Amino acid sequence: EAQVTQNPRYLITVTGKKLTVTCSQNMNHEYMSWYRQDPGLGLRQIYYSMNVEVTDKGDVPEGYKVSRKEKRNFPLILESPSPNQTSLYFCASSSPGTGHYGYTFGSGTRLTVV
Amino acid sequence: GDSVTQMEGPVTLSEEAFLTINCTYTATGYPSLFWYVQYPGEGLQLLLKATKADDKGSNKGFEATYRKETTSFHLEKGSVQVSDSAVYFCALQKANTGNQFYFGTGTSLTVIP
Repeated sequence: EAQVTQNPRYLITVTGKKLTVTCSQNMNHEYMSWYRQDPGLGLRQIYYSMNVEVTDKGDVPEGYKVSRKEKRNFPLILESPSPNQTSLYFCASSSPGTGHYGYTFGSGTRLTVV
Repeated sequence: GDSVTQMEGPVTLSEEAFLTINCTYTATGYPSLFWYVQYPGEGLQLLLKATKADDKGSNKGFEATYRKETTSFHLEKGSVQVSDSAVYFCALQKANTGNQFYFGTGTSLTVIP
């Protein structure tokens, strides 16, 4: 089944403790993105990647890092999480071959930083 | 910059009622437009899309027409069902990019029997 898989689904952590949210897709998509979803703000793009070793900042990159060493994986790294990063995070992927690049989204990771 | 504005919710309708969720956009060039749906506890799923002016996207009884003159992409359905209860997001893909999307804030729809 074609899908984007994120782990974990739920995570509670403490301020300053480094964490990684993994994202993997099995569709051989070139493009991958991370979004955060907050009430009243919709989805905001954190980082995106056009292909392996090619990443760029989205609208809200502060406090986050990403890497794209393999085509299928795009982990999101929070080096020193803070409470304002408490949010629902989505990974998404797409490909030029899918016709105007509609995204396939993962199921989300709900992160709480205390 | 490019942006999307959609009507605020929540929206509550009775089963078989007519649905309209308004969406307007601001963009340079000719963006592609999308509606996504998010069911409880799940990620967003593509509902329909339109890639040029006057295109009509449709899926599962939902429709939306790309209106360049009014910069709108309103979502409609003639007869909603309880299973349509979800959050709906309007989105814009920036012209000539593969990866720059802008989402509206989402509209929560609840359909009651």
